[in-house]
Amino acid sequence: DTEVTQTPKHLVMGMTNKKSLKCEQHMGHRAMYWYKQKAKKPPELMFVYSYEKLSINESVPSRFSPECPNSSLLNLHLHALQPEDSALYLCASSQVGWGRAGDEQFFGPGTRLTVL
Amino acid sequence: SQQGEEDPQALSIQEGENATMNCSYKTSINNLQWYRQNSGRGLVHLILIRSNEREKHSGRLRVTLDTSKKSSSLLITASRAADTASYFCATDAYGSRLTFGEGTQLTVNP
Repeated sequence: DTEVTQTPKHLVMGMTNKKSLKCEQHMGHRAMYWYKQKAKKPPELMFVYSYEKLSINESVPSRFSPECPNSSLLNLHLHALQPEDSALYLCASSQVGWGRAGDEQFFGPGTRLTVL
Repeated sequence: SQQGEEDPQALSIQEGENATMNCSYKTSINNLQWYRQNSGRGLVHLILIRSNEREKHSGRLRVTLDTSKKSSSLLITASRAADTASYFCATDAYGSRLTFGEGTQLTVNP
């Protein structure tokens, strides 16, 4: 299995809702990432988990809360989002852990989030 | 600001022609990677070139890296309509942290 899966594909939520995005990989990768991508812009790193520990938080607002329940799963909990948080949220994984000379990242198809 | 800058921002060619995209960056790197993204979907890794390599090939793709000029180019030969996508360079300056360029939107007309 050489893919990263993400659910749901699309999500529409109000500003008072709580929702979660889910990401899964079964490649035995040690690092997992959340990126945010706005239309016609490159992905922006949000969080990095390495060996199931949060290694990087790129000053992301607390209304985004990541969680890594085990080595294969990565969640992003959403609460009290703003309309400007509407974007494509991408999950990725890589074989090596954070801080080691990198290799390719495998990306999931993304969740298209719309905040009303 | 972003580590990588790409040009052109947009490129439109006919099927069968070659497409060249360029990427410049600012700091020392471990490696440089190229990714493709079809509209609204996830990124697909195309090729990785390490800082001690100058050229790499993969199928119809050719990547060059000039660390003295802090620049890279991606050449797609004999382009196809299916190559229509956004192409991003990404630099790895600190283990596993990718910083993406602004991207080039390639359109290949049948």
